[in-house]
Amino acid sequence: AQTVTQSQPEMSVQEAETVTLSCTYDTSESNYYLFWYKQPPSRQMILVIRQEAYKQQNATENRFSVNFQKAAKSFSLKISDSQLGDTAMYFCASSGRVGGGADGLTFGKGTHLIIQP
Amino acid sequence: GAGVSQSPRYKVAKRGQDVALRCDPISGHVSLFWYQQALGQGPEFLTYFQNEAQLDKSGLPSDRFFAERPEGSVSTLKIQRTQQEDSAVYLCASSLGVASQETQYFGPGTRLLVL
Repeated sequence: AQTVTQSQPEMSVQEAETVTLSCTYDTSESNYYLFWYKQPPSRQMILVIRQEAYKQQNATENRFSVNFQKAAKSFSLKISDSQLGDTAMYFCASSGRVGGGADGLTFGKGTHLIIQP
Repeated sequence: GAGVSQSPRYKVAKRGQDVALRCDPISGHVSLFWYQQALGQGPEFLTYFQNEAQLDKSGLPSDRFFAERPEGSVSTLKIQRTQQEDSAVYLCASSLGVASQETQYFGPGTRLLVL
């Protein structure tokens, strides 16, 4: 079984600042994947960034990057130069099963990020 | 289609009624997932289809919940004899292939309120 913990229910920063959202996870799988999904108000959830556990290099996508610490089972998301459109719920999620077949994601409870103008 | 669509967007049911929620995945997507998202919580996995085969239904909370995808495209989640604790947003997601690292594309959800 997998568990994902997000310890920050809400965060608020000023526009253009850098913010880091925390996530820890636990899994018995030897190979797994970690994701950050964004759920804007009244809009569909979309993928922000993905990390493969066997890759040591941290994933980056434009202003979004992760700090993946495998031994500590930590997977934080850094948003640089934050923009008003970044205001949303952010969910950390894990995936992985023996054999690598598709399976449902395990989500954390989410962090509500508010970007102030 | 351009994205995953779900209908209805909102559903109010009286306790004890049966409801059916529809999901139209992205055309050609093999994998389809259903999640339940309670207020203030992250989504929780309900069930997974690979084409028409339901390969995992471990997350269905009770035998009142039933899902199908008979032709490997549209899926329906049915809840029988609804209870107040079934009130939640039901999300559908699809992915192109069958690997666990693939991006899941989510629909807008159906918000179910059971009175």
